[in-house]
Amino acid sequence: QVQLQESGPGLVKPSETLSLTCSVSGYSISSGYYWDWIRQPPGKGLEWIGSIYYTGSTSYSPSLKSRVTMSVDTSKNQFSLKLTSVTAADSAVYYCLRQWGGTYYFDYWGQGTLVTVSS
Amino acid sequence: QTVVTQEPSFSVSPGGTVTLTCGLSSGSVSASYYPSWYQQTPGQAPRTLIYFTNTRSSGVPDRFSGSILGNKAALTITGAQAEDESDYYCVLYMGSGILVFGGGTKLTVL
Repeated sequence: QVQLQESGPGLVKPSETLSLTCSVSGYSISSGYYWDWIRQPPGKGLEWIGSIYYTGSTSYSPSLKSRVTMSVDTSKNQFSLKLTSVTAADSAVYYCLRQWGGTYYFDYWGQGTLVTVSS
Repeated sequence: QTVVTQEPSFSVSPGGTVTLTCGLSSGSVSASYYPSWYQQTPGQAPRTLIYFTNTRSSGVPDRFSGSILGNKAALTITGAQAEDESDYYCVLYMGSGILVFGGGTKLTVL
C-alpha cells in the first residue's frame, strides 16, 4: 500500500520560505509516476501547486511558478516543496499526492499538514 | 487564465439523483481535459472518485458516475445517500503538465 506523509514546520514567518517534505512508503519514487503538491486554505477550495517526475522534471501552477521549487530525493524516497516570500494567504493545509501521468489524476493522498504564516 | 467552474452548492433528497458539473470560463470540456472528481468531507483528505472522465476509482460505489454533458464534465450521483453529503471537486488537465481544480461544490443531502 502506497503511503505519503508530509512533514515540516507548522509555523512560518511572513516573507520567509515554506519548506515541506513528503516521505513515500510502499512504492519507489524512481519507479515512475508524478508526485504533486496541492493546498487548501482554511474554509476554502483546493489549489494545485505543482508536480515533479522522478527525473526532476517539474510543472508548476502559473500563479505560483515564480515562488515555487520542487525537488526529489530518490535515495530517501522523498520529494519536497519550497515556497518563497510567503504571506498570510499561503496559510493552508498542504497535501502531497501521487499523480498518474497520462491520465492526470491523483490516486494516493497524504493526510495533509497545516502551515500557518504568522509573525 | 482559464477558470474551472463548478456550482458553489447543490442539494438533493435522499434517494434522489443529482448531477454536478465542471466547466471552463472559456471553451468546452472534453475528454482530452482528462476530468477527474474528488470527494472531501470536513477535516479529511480528499478521496478520488472518478478519473479519465468516467472511470470509477477502486472501492467507489457505482451510484457515482462521470460523463461529458454538453460542454462540461459531469458527476452524477444516482440514489444519493446521507453519507454523500460532502464537498466535490473536479480537476482538469490544461496541457504542459498543468492541472487546475474547480472551486468545488458543497452538496447537501436533505
